[in-house]
Amino acid sequence: QKEVEQNSGPLSVPEGAIASLNCTYSDRGSQSFFWYRQYSGKSPELIMSIYSNGDKEDGRFTAQLNKASQYVSLLIRDSQPSDSATYLCAGTGGGSQGNLIFGKGTKLSVKP
Amino acid sequence: GAGVSQTPSNKVTEKGKYVELRCDPISGHTALYWYRQSLGQGPEFLIYFQGTGAADDSGLPNDRFFAVRPEGSVSTLKIQRTERGDSAVYLCASSPYGSEADTQYFGPGTRLTVL
Repeated sequence: QKEVEQNSGPLSVPEGAIASLNCTYSDRGSQSFFWYRQYSGKSPELIMSIYSNGDKEDGRFTAQLNKASQYVSLLIRDSQPSDSATYLCAGTGGGSQGNLIFGKGTKLSVKP
Repeated sequence: GAGVSQTPSNKVTEKGKYVELRCDPISGHTALYWYRQSLGQGPEFLIYFQGTGAADDSGLPNDRFFAVRPEGSVSTLKIQRTERGDSAVYLCASSPYGSEADTQYFGPGTRLTVL
């Protein structure tokens, strides 16, 4: 059973702090990883994608991938109240092109 | 440009009834995916189309679920003899080529409630 595991939270951080979200995956065949943000009652929207080991930065967001440890993380710098949402980690299903396996999501709350 | 659209946005039905959920992907996207999301869970993969054909239907829970994409664009997810456990948000996503590196763009979802 291919799985993606996330701490469901809630994770609460003060405004301006760094929020750190973590994810582990079971399928070593997974090649691509994605972080989606989902506001309550809305559909997931892509925040970051990462395919190689190391860090990838985009504005206030940094994704990190360590394939040896089967670990993916997302750092949000200078967190804003508008970042409050559920963050979904997803990895591709390995043998099946494009099929995403999602974690349950981590609920982030940024307090003003 | 237009994103992925889904209709209806909400569907309430009675146990045992048949429902159809429609997805209109981003124009030109060859890959289309159906997921369903229960409360407090991440989306769960159901089926993936590449063009008109179902490339992977391993996520369909049983034979009450069926999906088509006859012209390689709009897709319909069909659920027969609905059960209360089918209640969830059904999400459709599309991507340009269906490769592992592609970004999947999600529609707003259809909230299905089976009474």
